[in-house]
Amino acid sequence: AQSVAQPEDQVNVAEGNPLTVKCTYSVSGNPYLFWYVQYPNRGLQFLLKYITGDNLVKGSYGFEAEFNKSQTSFHLKKPSALVSDSALYFCAVRDPASNSGYALNFGKGTSLLVTP
Amino acid sequence: EAGVAQSPRYKIIEKRQSVAFWCNPISGHATLYWYQQILGQGPKLLIQFQNNGVVDDSQLPKDRFSAERLKGVDSTLKIQPAKLEDSAVYLCASSSGIAETQYFGPGTRLLVL
Repeated sequence: AQSVAQPEDQVNVAEGNPLTVKCTYSVSGNPYLFWYVQYPNRGLQFLLKYITGDNLVKGSYGFEAEFNKSQTSFHLKKPSALVSDSALYFCAVRDPASNSGYALNFGKGTSLLVTP
Repeated sequence: EAGVAQSPRYKIIEKRQSVAFWCNPISGHATLYWYQQILGQGPKLLIQFQNNGVVDDSQLPKDRFSAERLKGVDSTLKIQPAKLEDSAVYLCASSSGIAETQYFGPGTRLLVL
């Protein structure tokens, strides 16, 4: 079985400070990992993904994420937060070894609030 | 390129009524997904199509939910009869292949009274 945990319901950070949104996963095989962002009344927007290769993945809007196999984590980071980054962030995992048709298994989401 | 289109954006119905949602994927995307997102939770897959065939519908409540993608392009998700617990956002996503990145539409917000 595959699962994703986002341990924080909300993360608060001041504008200009670095931000981290945490994600841990559990899969039976090598994971495909994704981050999506959701703004109010809008669908999910793709930020970045890890399939294989370099553990540090760079994505849209200055975000990056680091894949850590030993800690089974894929935390989302940004060096300097913007107020416009305030949104709901979802981590998702896909286990290519499963027979679930490559569906994404999402975490419950973390609300990021960046204050001026 | 145009994104995933969904309609309607909002729908309010009474329990036991029926409702249908429409999705038009990104042009050329063979794989289409329907997800249900209940408030405070992450999206949960309902059904996945590859062209016009069903790949995974294991989490679709088949006694009340149905979906089709007859010509391998547009898709319709139907609920009949609706229950209060069906209140959620229904998201459609598409990808160019079964293992590729999924791109989501804006969703349809359903409220069942």
